[in-house]
Amino acid sequence: GNSVTQMEGPVTLSEEAFLTINCTYTATGYPSLFWYVQYPGEGLQLLLKATKADDKGSNKGFEATYRKETTSFHLEKGSVQVSDSAVYFCALSNFGNEKLTFGTGTRLTIIP
Amino acid sequence: ETGVTQTPRHLVMGMTNKKSLKCEQHLGHNAMYWYKQSAKKPLELMFVYSLEERVENNSVPSRFSPECPNSSHLFLHLHTLQPEDSALYLCASSHVGGTGTRYGYTFGSGTRLTVV
Repeated sequence: GNSVTQMEGPVTLSEEAFLTINCTYTATGYPSLFWYVQYPGEGLQLLLKATKADDKGSNKGFEATYRKETTSFHLEKGSVQVSDSAVYFCALSNFGNEKLTFGTGTRLTIIP
Repeated sequence: ETGVTQTPRHLVMGMTNKKSLKCEQHLGHNAMYWYKQSAKKPLELMFVYSLEERVENNSVPSRFSPECPNSSHLFLHLHTLQPEDSALYLCASSHVGGTGTRYGYTFGSGTRLTVV
């Protein structure tokens, strides 16, 4: 079946640091891959997505590249801000299986 | 209004009360979902409705009862809950069929439920 593995949190960084949150997946076929972000007290928001191999999703300075050879979709940002503090979820969906499979989430805290 | 709207945002209820959570989407989606998010636990998928039919029920206790009267509305009826049911309840919607789900879900802001 499908599964998503994210790096364990929490992650604490200083403002302007470089961010990487690792995500690897197991799935049959050609899944779509997503990063969702959850700010305190809110629901999940779609941050970025990639629907085929080698696609790069990007939004708000965040990027992730769909790497089929390593089954990975790592989230990166070159210079984080305090406002990026949130929980980040990696997820996948497979064509024909309508259910999203989520990772466990990684809590990110940025300190000034 | 666009997106997925959940009401109420916060709810405190006693163990003998009956209450309902409401979710509404104006995105033209045809599938809706209830998730439970508890502290320090992964997201738990509770129910899935696709084309207004319940297609999944992940061993959820009968004190939670979903209702999907049409593709735009989803309810979660609550009765005789336990304190361990306190959590953030998230609703989501998507378009199923074709390539719709390749674009993910849209989530509401959630209802923070406290059972006392």
